[in-house]
Amino acid sequence: QVQLVESGGGVVQPGRSLRLSCAASGFTFSSYGMHWVRQAPGKGLEWVAVISYDGSDKYYADSVKGRFTISRDNSKKTLYLQMNSLRAEDTAVYYCAKEKEQWVAQGYFQHWGQGTLVTVSS
Amino acid sequence: DIQMTQSPSSLSASVGDRVTITCRASQSISSYLNWYQQKPGKAPKLLIYAASSLQSGVPSRFSGSGFESDFTLTISSLQPEDFATYYCQQSYTTPFTFGPGTKVDIK
Repeated sequence: QVQLVESGGGVVQPGRSLRLSCAASGFTFSSYGMHWVRQAPGKGLEWVAVISYDGSDKYYADSVKGRFTISRDNSKKTLYLQMNSLRAEDTAVYYCAKEKEQWVAQGYFQHWGQGTLVTVSS
Repeated sequence: DIQMTQSPSSLSASVGDRVTITCRASQSISSYLNWYQQKPGKAPKLLIYAASSLQSGVPSRFSGSGFESDFTLTISSLQPEDFATYYCQQSYTTPFTFGPGTKVDIK
C-alpha cells in the first residue's frame, strides 16, 4: 500500500533554513507528481508546491516563492522541500501528497503522509 | 488566484441527517473541484474529485455535484465517523486553493 513518511521538521529560528523529506513506498514514485501542503495550527489547508513526475516542472504558492524549493530524487523515492528565510508564518504541519493519476499534476491529492511539524520561533 | 468560499463554516447535525455543504469559486473552474475530509490530528482524505467522482473506498452516502463556480457536497445519512472538517479545493490552476473548511459536529 502507498506510504508517505515525512521527516525533518522541528523548531528553527526566523531567517534560518530547514529541509523536509518525504520517503515514498508502495507505488512507482517516478510516475507521479508530488505536492507539499501545509496547515498552520488550528487553521485550514494551504497548498505550497508541486513537482512533476520527472522534476521538470515546479510551481509554488506566492507565499513561498523565492524562499522554498521543491525537488525529488526518483532513485531514492524521496521528495524534498528546502525552506530558506523562514518566517513565523511558515509555522505549520507540512504534508506531502501524491497525485491520483500517473504522469500528470492535476491537483488531486489522493494519498497523504502523516505530516511533520515546523515551528519557526526565536 | 482563485478564491474558494464554503458555507456554512460549521454545522451541528445528528446521526442519520442529510447534510449539505456548499463551495463557491471566485471564477469558473469547470469541474475541477475536489472534496476532502479531515479528522483532528489526521491528514486529509480525498472523498470526491472532479466535482462528482467518488474516490475508491469512500462510502456511497457521500456525493458531489456542481459546475463552473458552485458546488455541493452531500452526505445522505450522517454516520458517527463522518464528524469531521470538510474542505473543498480547486484544481483548475495553480496555486491550487482550498476553501476555509466546514466543521461538522454532533448536535
